[in-house]
Amino acid sequence: GQQLNQSPQSMFIQEGEDVSMNCTSSSIFNTWLWYKQDPGEGPVLLIALYKAGELTSNGRLTAQFGITRKDSFLNISASIPSDVGIYFCAGRRIQGAQKLVFGQGTRLTINP
Amino acid sequence: EAGVVQSPRYKIIEKKQPVAFWCNPISGHNTLYWYLQNLGQGPELLIRYENEEAVDDSQLPKDRFSAERLKGVDSTLKIQPAELGDSAVYLCASSFSGEGDTQYFGPGTRLTVL
Repeated sequence: GQQLNQSPQSMFIQEGEDVSMNCTSSSIFNTWLWYKQDPGEGPVLLIALYKAGELTSNGRLTAQFGITRKDSFLNISASIPSDVGIYFCAGRRIQGAQKLVFGQGTRLTINP
Repeated sequence: EAGVVQSPRYKIIEKKQPVAFWCNPISGHNTLYWYLQNLGQGPELLIRYENEEAVDDSQLPKDRFSAERLKGVDSTLKIQPAELGDSAVYLCASSFSGEGDTQYFGPGTRLTVL
């Protein structure tokens, strides 16, 4: 099925570093969401974006809805060990069924 | 408040055997979703229920997969017969109607088909 293009696929960083990841699509989306999945658990919603250009923060996390409606970005500042996990972007298209399309995920590993 | 409950958490079966997964959504959530998550991939929607009605089952392989939500609460997803390629995590999620962005996921059932 259709999936969003998420990059990078994996990241290995030092504790305290900032993290950036992005998600792109060839189609326009009217909603962008960012989830985090820990091992053995289901994804948990971090941030939801509804307007082009919107910038939303949730603690050390900041996400932006791209102005073209075809991309979104997630930044994590001052990473800590509990940030380890897999981050997924998800989008909802303007046309078609009201379902979420997920990216392939970015696996974040933090070296203490 | 209890989250989405799924069972079993793990299931190992031989190919051609049937298997069933059970999901109990968060109380009051009338929208229920079943997702398939392959290793290294994001979840992909299999079916979405609004109460008892399957409103989107376009991605459900109906030759071997079936699902039901008879009373609009619990749901079961069945595979019969299972194939090697069905090995994956099957996630259940629920939400209030009209609040599909705030989907609460269960821990998933990890299926291994030998």
